[in-house]
Amino acid sequence: GAVVSQHPSWVICKSGTSVKIECRSLDFQATTMFWYRQFPKQSLMLMATSNEGSKATYEQGVEKDKFLINHASLTLSTLTVTSAHPEDSSFYICSAPLAPLQETQYFGPGTRLLVL
Amino acid sequence: GQQLNQSPQSMFIQEGEDVSMNCTSSSIFNTWLWYKQDPGEGPVLLIALYKAGELTSNGRLTAQFGITRKDSFLNISASIPSDVGIYFCAGGNNAGNMLTFGGGTRLMVKP
Repeated sequence: GAVVSQHPSWVICKSGTSVKIECRSLDFQATTMFWYRQFPKQSLMLMATSNEGSKATYEQGVEKDKFLINHASLTLSTLTVTSAHPEDSSFYICSAPLAPLQETQYFGPGTRLLVL
Repeated sequence: GQQLNQSPQSMFIQEGEDVSMNCTSSSIFNTWLWYKQDPGEGPVLLIALYKAGELTSNGRLTAQFGITRKDSFLNISASIPSDVGIYFCAGGNNAGNMLTFGGGTRLMVKP
C-alpha cells in the first residue's frame, strides 16, 4: 500500500516552545493531507485539512494560530504546535489519499508529543 | 465532530474464535473503510468498500458494505494473538476526502 511517513516519531519539549511535525507521502503526490489528534483510548479527531497551494481548513474548536499548517509541496505537509503547553501532549497522526477526491486514506505512523 | 456508532467497544476472546464488529450511522456513506491500529502506531488500512452490498475479504478478514449504506461489519475468523489491537471503521461521503470515524473496538486475544 501507499506509504506516508512522519517525523519525528516522538518529541519531548518544554512548555512554551514550538514543535514542528512533518508528514510526507513517499511514493505518491498528495494535494490534500489531513491532521488528526488522538488521546489515549480515544478515536481519531480531525484537526485540519492541509491543502497544497492554499490555506488549511480547520475543524471547529481548533485554533489555527496555535496549530500552524503548511503544505509546502505535493509530498510534504507540516504541523507546527506553537507555544506548546502540557495539554497539547497527544498523538498526532497525518493521512493522505492516493488521489484527489479519493476517500481511501493512508496514515502515517504518528508522532507522540509530550510537553513538560 | 460526528462519529459512527461502533460496537462492541471491546472484546476479549480466546485464540481461534471468530470475531464480529460493526458500525452504524444515521447518515449515508459512499465508502466504508476498516483500519487496525497497534499501540503507538498509525492506523493501517485493512479493507476498503466502495459499493452498497459489497462483500470483500482480505485473508481471514471479511467486511461488508450495508445495503442501506448506513452500516458495515468486519469479521475476523480464527483469531490469533497478533490480531490484538484497536479496529476503527470510517465512512466517507465525498466531502473533500474527509472521513468520519467510529469510536473503535479494542480486541484482546487470549492465547
